[in-house]
Amino acid sequence: DAGVIQSPRHEVTEMGQEVTLRCKPISGHNSLFWYRQTMMRGLELLIYFNNNVPIDDSGMPEDRFSAKMPNASFSTLKIQPSEPRDSAVYFCASSFGTDPVYGYTFGSGTRLTVV
Amino acid sequence: TQLLEQSPQFLSIQEGENLTVYCNSSSVFSSLQWYRQEPGEGPVLLVTVVTGGEVKKLKRLTFQFGDARKDSSLHITAAQPGDTGLYLCAGGKGSARQLTFGSGTQLTVLP
Repeated sequence: DAGVIQSPRHEVTEMGQEVTLRCKPISGHNSLFWYRQTMMRGLELLIYFNNNVPIDDSGMPEDRFSAKMPNASFSTLKIQPSEPRDSAVYFCASSFGTDPVYGYTFGSGTRLTVV
Repeated sequence: TQLLEQSPQFLSIQEGENLTVYCNSSSVFSSLQWYRQEPGEGPVLLVTVVTGGEVKKLKRLTFQFGDARKDSSLHITAAQPGDTGLYLCAGGKGSARQLTFGSGTQLTVLP
């Protein structure tokens, strides 16, 4: 298996522009998580899906952030409009089952810079 | 407020030395995991512990889950430069479905 695949690896955009981050989870994993990592706040959970359904989006910072999972093999995280404070590394992770004991497999992340 | 506190935040040691990093919480977890993250990559799962007092060994790494399942430690024997990375603990509560990550310990092993 190729693991969790994220694209793009790097994104530089101007403030106010729309940004879309993409994720392909591991086949057979039914839970998908979006995290944001910064030096100040560490890894923060933004939203997670189980069987393509959003379960908890309480970590989404504001209405500018939205996430979708139209099928079991694809998810997007969209920021519109983007702001400099959104600059961070965004990770997608997938897992088998709903119990966290199974552990997460992370993608390599998307480094987002908003100027 | 960080639910899982890791210490130390930063650790720089010479190759061959031993070290221990700690993960502490006031909450009880049903499982505790350790991940290692290298620059430019996502965290990679090292181990999962589920039983209070459990000890697991992975080559030179020894992981322990506290008896009360509120804390954990990671001990590395004879550290090597390849051990360099950010070590993250993560606690799971089965009912909550998601992991809570600690703030991390940045380890640098100098040759």
